[in-house]
Amino acid sequence: DQQVKQNSPSLSVQEGRISILNCDYTNSMFDYFLWYKKYPAEGPTFLISISSIKDKNEDGRFTVFLNKSAKHLSLHIVPSQPGDSAVYFCAAKGGTSGTYKYIFGTGTRLKVLA
Amino acid sequence: EADIYQTPRYLVIGTGKKITLECSQTMGHDKMYWYQQDPGMELHLIHYSYGVNSTEKGDLSSESTVSRIRTEHFPLTLESARPSHTSQYLCASAPATGNTEAFFGQGTRLTVV
Repeated sequence: DQQVKQNSPSLSVQEGRISILNCDYTNSMFDYFLWYKKYPAEGPTFLISISSIKDKNEDGRFTVFLNKSAKHLSLHIVPSQPGDSAVYFCAAKGGTSGTYKYIFGTGTRLKVLA
Repeated sequence: EADIYQTPRYLVIGTGKKITLECSQTMGHDKMYWYQQDPGMELHLIHYSYGVNSTEKGDLSSESTVSRIRTEHFPLTLESARPSHTSQYLCASAPATGNTEAFFGQGTRLTVV
């Protein structure tokens, strides 16, 4: 049973436009959410995160929005650049303080067209 | 930059061989994780550790085993490799407490022929 879902396997966006990547989760006990970027044959790199007590967090071109009632979060990239082309994974941190785990979605492949 | 290292980066090995994938971190993190990822799929947690001498199986059943004798080292072993083990293996670490990200190594791309 997948607890973190990314329903769009791929997304294409023109350079300079906004990219919106979506993620849904099922476990209301998750208290921290993260986005990672991954290139083939490399490990994921951390992009941005948000605590469950917030509804928005911004870092440069990247903004993450959290809607707890809908169990939904999204990553906005503005403006999109060709270097943003990669697979983006949504993740949630779950478990008690000493025993937490990171649970990942299936990823969305973003292609930014020049 | 994260200080977590995986070796080898790429490995092609014959069926039946025993292999060990290495993972080391210099950040003093208590928590370490092994994930397995196939193209287009999520990262599946196969093993994790909350500290020295602590190991747990993850959400995805795996024939591999792990050990945590030292804080900085979390190797993964396959006693007898099979083609079904072909995948990318990703190691990560995180501090014991607090809301923080997990830091990933570069990964090991394993191909069993």
